[in-house]
Amino acid sequence: DTGVSQDPRHKITKRGQNVTFRCDPISEHNRLYWYRQTLGQGPEFLTYFQNEAQLEKSRLLSDRFSAERPKGSFSTLEIQRTEQGDSAMYLCASSLSLGTEGGEAFFGQGTRLTVV
Amino acid sequence: AQSVTQPDIHITVSEGASLELRCNYSYGATPYLFWYVQSPGQGLQLLLKYFSGDTLVQGIKGFEAEFKRSQSSFNLRKPSVHWSDAAEYFCAVGGKGAQKLVFGQGTRLTINP
Repeated sequence: DTGVSQDPRHKITKRGQNVTFRCDPISEHNRLYWYRQTLGQGPEFLTYFQNEAQLEKSRLLSDRFSAERPKGSFSTLEIQRTEQGDSAMYLCASSLSLGTEGGEAFFGQGTRLTVV
Repeated sequence: AQSVTQPDIHITVSEGASLELRCNYSYGATPYLFWYVQSPGQGLQLLLKYFSGDTLVQGIKGFEAEFKRSQSSFNLRKPSVHWSDAAEYFCAVGGKGAQKLVFGQGTRLTINP
């Protein structure tokens, strides 16, 4: 399977714990995006990388959230001191940018986080 | 501010009937427009996209969409729906670099047998 893969698919954690999600993009894609989707809503942009550089972060990404993309390959999204409001589906997407063209984004199946 | 409005939260159609899902956008520059479909508990699959050129675009699974700049709309259509089309549909807008997408709230499609 050469699509975007996310791990784990589901995560249940207690409030106050830290969690980390992993995203493996399509191998030749140089852009990687994280989105959050709550029940009944469309995805909301969190952050994106071009290669290993994090180029933009949304206001939704509080100080408890951190994302990395070492060596421009896979990415991790960590949430510290989780809160019940963090319960959501976290979606990763990747695309191939050519010059200034962003290209279409391909999404993974997401990580469903439940904070109890 | 960039925004996408999908006026219909839930639509029910009979199998074999035609379908139109509405999407209106607000974007300050030339928009790149997308329709994605999401099955329960799954990620998003791209149905079609509009970057430039012909304003009527064809996508996968028999879907098409028409970009109307004067109406700021990008409605999705299908002449005859199948039971397997039942899902959530999202319209999204981005810029030339498509660095980030702004999504609508989604329209849930139910198919009656």
